[in-house]
Amino acid sequence: DAGVIQSPRHEVTEMGQEVTLRCKPISGHDYLFWYRQTMMRGLELLIYFNNNVPIDDSGMPEDRFSAKMPNASFSTLKIQPSEPRDSAVYFCASRLSGGGYGYTFGSGTRLTVV
Amino acid sequence: SQQGEEDPQALSIQEGENATMNCSYKTSINNLQWYRQNSGRGLVHLILIRSNEREKHSGRLRVTLDTSKKSSSLLITASRAADTASYFCATDDSGNKLVFGAGTILRVKS
Repeated sequence: DAGVIQSPRHEVTEMGQEVTLRCKPISGHDYLFWYRQTMMRGLELLIYFNNNVPIDDSGMPEDRFSAKMPNASFSTLKIQPSEPRDSAVYFCASRLSGGGYGYTFGSGTRLTVV
Repeated sequence: SQQGEEDPQALSIQEGENATMNCSYKTSINNLQWYRQNSGRGLVHLILIRSNEREKHSGRLRVTLDTSKKSSSLLITASRAADTASYFCATDDSGNKLVFGAGTILRVKS
């Protein structure tokens, strides 16, 4: 398995533009997580899905953020409109159900909003 | 919000020495996990210890857990330059999501 695949690796966009980040989890993993990492706030959980259903989106900072998982092999995180304070590295991770499993993280998308 | 707090924030040692990092947390947990992050990369899962376990080993890694003190430690023995990275503890209190600490930056000098 190629692991968790995220795209793009880097994204530079202007304030006000829509940004879409993509994630392909490991096949067979039924949990998917979106995290954001910044120097100031560290790693923050934004939202997670179980069997494609959003379970907890309490970490999504504002209504400008939305996430979907239309099927077991694909998820998107969308920011519309983007703002400079959204600049961060966004990670997707997946894991198997049941306790005792670690997460597999993707390589992340470095987002810069100018 | 961060659950785990790592100590120290940064650690610099010579190759061959042991490195110890500590993590404290606030609430009851199902398990505690340690991850490594190399610069510019994603996080890599190192080891998981359940709340009913006190010690676990994996290669050169040794993790301890003291639930009465709400603390854990990660020991890396015989460190190598390739161990240079940030190390994070993460707690799982519900079985469904991880909350990460701020991390310890480890530098191993060759």
